[in-house]
Amino acid sequence: AQKITQTQPGMFVQEKEAVTLDCTYDTSDPSYGLFWYKQPSSGEMIFLIYQGSYDQQNATEGRYSLNFQKARKSANLVISASQLGDSAMYFCAMRERGTGNQFYFGTGTSLTVIP
Amino acid sequence: GAVVSQHPSWVICKSGTSVKIECRSLDFQATTMFWYRQFPKQSLMLMATSNEGSKATYEQGVEKDKFLINHASLTLSTLTVTSAHPEDSSFYICSARTGDPGTIYFGEGSWLTVV
Repeated sequence: AQKITQTQPGMFVQEKEAVTLDCTYDTSDPSYGLFWYKQPSSGEMIFLIYQGSYDQQNATEGRYSLNFQKARKSANLVISASQLGDSAMYFCAMRERGTGNQFYFGTGTSLTVIP
Repeated sequence: GAVVSQHPSWVICKSGTSVKIECRSLDFQATTMFWYRQFPKQSLMLMATSNEGSKATYEQGVEKDKFLINHASLTLSTLTVTSAHPEDSSFYICSARTGDPGTIYFGEGSWLTVV
């Protein structure tokens, strides 16, 4: 089974609107971390936000917030007030303590912000 | 299950020696593979892009002679860190693309420690 599932290959959002990128994960390890990365056309993977499995509150970083629903094993990324520069690929990833901090990535969601 | 396998997951080597990390696509032929290195702020820096049968394209600032990348077949790319130094200690991760644009699958990463 896939550890990380991103079901939206492509998404469109109007500039200044909010958008939610879906991510579900599969693990039996009680200790894990969830990450979101942005990949612009340059290719690098820019770290956006992190949520630990024991964190009580949803993580927020500026316009990015992570909607962490532990029971549902989902970690959706919410981008508020979308900007044209937000157009990129977005990857969800997970690290489990039990597997020695190996990374598991989803297949990504391509976000296009429309003016 | 994993569609891209990286090996080894962990490696410790002595300063001055070389170490090879393999990235294999298990269920598909990868026309393009990418190598990343993780830096302390969690972002993944793109090191190089390799296409099967041709020389890798290195990103600016990445030493070609130090980080040798070989993409000998459609299912295997290797990263060799030559004359390793402690500052090369890092987390290296590969990804493979199925086509153009295709889907990108990530390996689980390799931790390198140079002592």
